[in-house]
Amino acid sequence: DAGITQSPRHKVTETGTPVTLRCHQTENHRYMYWYRQDPGHGLRLIHYSYGVKDTDKGEVSDGYSVSRSKTEDFLLTLESATSSQTSVYFCAISEPTSYEQYFGPGTRLTVT
Amino acid sequence: GEDVEQSLFLSVREGDSSVINCTYTDSSSTYLYWYKQEPGAGLQLLTYIFSNMDMKQDQRLTVLLNKKDKHLSLRIADTQTGDSAIYFCAETLVNFGNEKLTFGTGTRLTIIP
Repeated sequence: DAGITQSPRHKVTETGTPVTLRCHQTENHRYMYWYRQDPGHGLRLIHYSYGVKDTDKGEVSDGYSVSRSKTEDFLLTLESATSSQTSVYFCAISEPTSYEQYFGPGTRLTVT
Repeated sequence: GEDVEQSLFLSVREGDSSVINCTYTDSSSTYLYWYKQEPGAGLQLLTYIFSNMDMKQDQRLTVLLNKKDKHLSLRIADTQTGDSAIYFCAETLVNFGNEKLTFGTGTRLTIIP
């Protein structure tokens, strides 16, 4: 998985609790992304980062925030988890000179 | 805006060729991708093609692009059981760089022994 790890790999949480997912890369790639995967929707972009402390929203950003204080780490936070955020979350990385995105193994999040 | 569509399911006999189809709507310069997802795993980039190309071949994989119809296909020759997976078509606009990949819903390929 191109030097990308995600933690945790599985999480079950209750509605209303905060949750943080971590993406860690060892490739020193500048761009990082968070997607969610849901049946019938493919993958949809939540947020992305084009450098340390530089982030922007994707198409489904409501209810999510991100932070990137180091090149290698990109955090996704659900401030108050809802059942609609039950999904599989994927992190991806890429370089500005390349049009190739590489994906991590995913985190399965269940909000009860 | 961009919209990428795929059929949801495809069943193919082992040894036959698989053809997975995708249509896209954006008419600007784009890169078009095929990703493979095995059960419980992330997405693996298989191949990609720029929108000014007609075809790209890589071992058992052939990508064909019909720009007029905005139709992209992935042909897998001599399909094997290890090819069982979900295949995603995706698109990105060149002028957006890397910020925005738009994915199709994925096609689940099942191999019949």
